[in-house]
Amino acid sequence: KAGVTQTPRYLIKTRGQQVTLSCSPISGHRSVSWYQQTPGQGLQFLFEYFSETQRNKGNFPGRFSGRQFSNSRSEMNVSTLELGDSALYLCASSPRSSRVGYEQYFGPGTRLTVT
Amino acid sequence: KQEVTQIPAALSVPEGENLVLNCSFTDSAIYNLQWFRQDPGKGLTSLLLIQSSQREQTSGRLNASLDKSSGRSTLYIAASQPGDSATYLCAVSYDNYGQNFVFGPGTRLSVLP
Repeated sequence: KAGVTQTPRYLIKTRGQQVTLSCSPISGHRSVSWYQQTPGQGLQFLFEYFSETQRNKGNFPGRFSGRQFSNSRSEMNVSTLELGDSALYLCASSPRSSRVGYEQYFGPGTRLTVT
Repeated sequence: KQEVTQIPAALSVPEGENLVLNCSFTDSAIYNLQWFRQDPGKGLTSLLLIQSSQREQTSGRLNASLDKSSGRSTLYIAASQPGDSATYLCAVSYDNYGQNFVFGPGTRLSVLP
């Protein structure tokens, strides 16, 4: 079974621009979560989507948004980029099922650099 | 505030040693606790997931325990190998579907040949 895939793997953007990151979960997984990882703040939860609905949201400004499609693929968008948005963005998928379990499986991440 | 801490921040051991990594969480009302490893510049690899009703989980040379009442979890690694060198992260979930993890800062482990 293929793992979680994220595209692109690396991205360089300029302040003020916007960016869209993509995540394809493991087949059959309906939950997709996004995390931001920086050296200073560590791993922080952004939001989770389940069956195309945002179920949980972390403490990030409204510039960070996401969506999930009917095939469970998810996109994350950051508008008006700031230097502090430079980070590794990780996507995780989960069956989110009492029958199969709640374990999260992470993708390799997208390294975003804002200049 | 729900916080997760990990001790030690870094650990260096010779190959073959058994070792214990510690994770503490301030709010004991957790649903799941999951241990991950992260290699430099890479994503996270799931090691073990412990549901709140469980006390421990084992996979190969790894054993994770959970004590909800004291807000602690330990990851025991037996017979360490150089390939175990990585950062180990503990994550705790407080929502009823086990998502929205709060991560600890990690323990950076170096196993010397």
